[in-house]
Amino acid sequence: AQSVSQHNHHVILSEAASLELGCNYSYGGTVNLFWYVQYPGQHLQLLLKYFSGDPLVKGIKGFEAEFIKSKFSFNLRKPSVQWSDTAEYFCAVRQTDSSYKLIFGSGTRLLVRP
Amino acid sequence: AAGVIQSPRHLIKEKRETATLKCYPIPRHDTVYWYQQGPGQDPQFLISFYEKMQSDKGSIPDRFSAQQFSDYHSELNMSSLELGDSALYFCASSSPGLGIYNEQFFGPGTRLTVL
Repeated sequence: AQSVSQHNHHVILSEAASLELGCNYSYGGTVNLFWYVQYPGQHLQLLLKYFSGDPLVKGIKGFEAEFIKSKFSFNLRKPSVQWSDTAEYFCAVRQTDSSYKLIFGSGTRLLVRP
Repeated sequence: AAGVIQSPRHLIKEKRETATLKCYPIPRHDTVYWYQQGPGQDPQFLISFYEKMQSDKGSIPDRFSAQQFSDYHSELNMSSLELGDSALYFCASSSPGLGIYNEQFFGPGTRLTVL
């Protein structure tokens, strides 16, 4: 069965530090890849997505992610985090040859200290 | 812009009771997905509907049923509730059509607590 792994469950950073959250998936076929963010008390919001083309994807709020097919990875990065980035981040995968459902990772809670 | 609406936002039920969760997709969205997020867990896909027909089914217990109505809103019916059903239930919608490039927009969720 397809699965998504997020290696960091909790990350604590100071403002202006750089961020990288890992995401690996287990599926050999073609996939769509997503990063969602969930701010405290709010719903899931799409940060960025990869369908095809340039493996370096830029999203909202200065986030970007790189799809490395050989490593089955889609890591999220931000050069300089802000206190307002405190949230939970979910990586999600969607197989393109079957259902359109999303398979989520377990999430990473990011705390940015002012 | 209009978003996905879910009601109620919070629901408290006793064991063995029933619950109905409602989801109102973004206008002109014809596809609805239901996800369950247990405490400290990742969202798990339950079921989806496209044009009022079930399009996919995940790990949804037999005690649960769902449908999509003519106005595209969807309801998740949960019977014989168990303590383990306590979770945040998300609804997402996308459109139009069942295209792989369609983004899913999530609602705020319904937090169900079973006592």
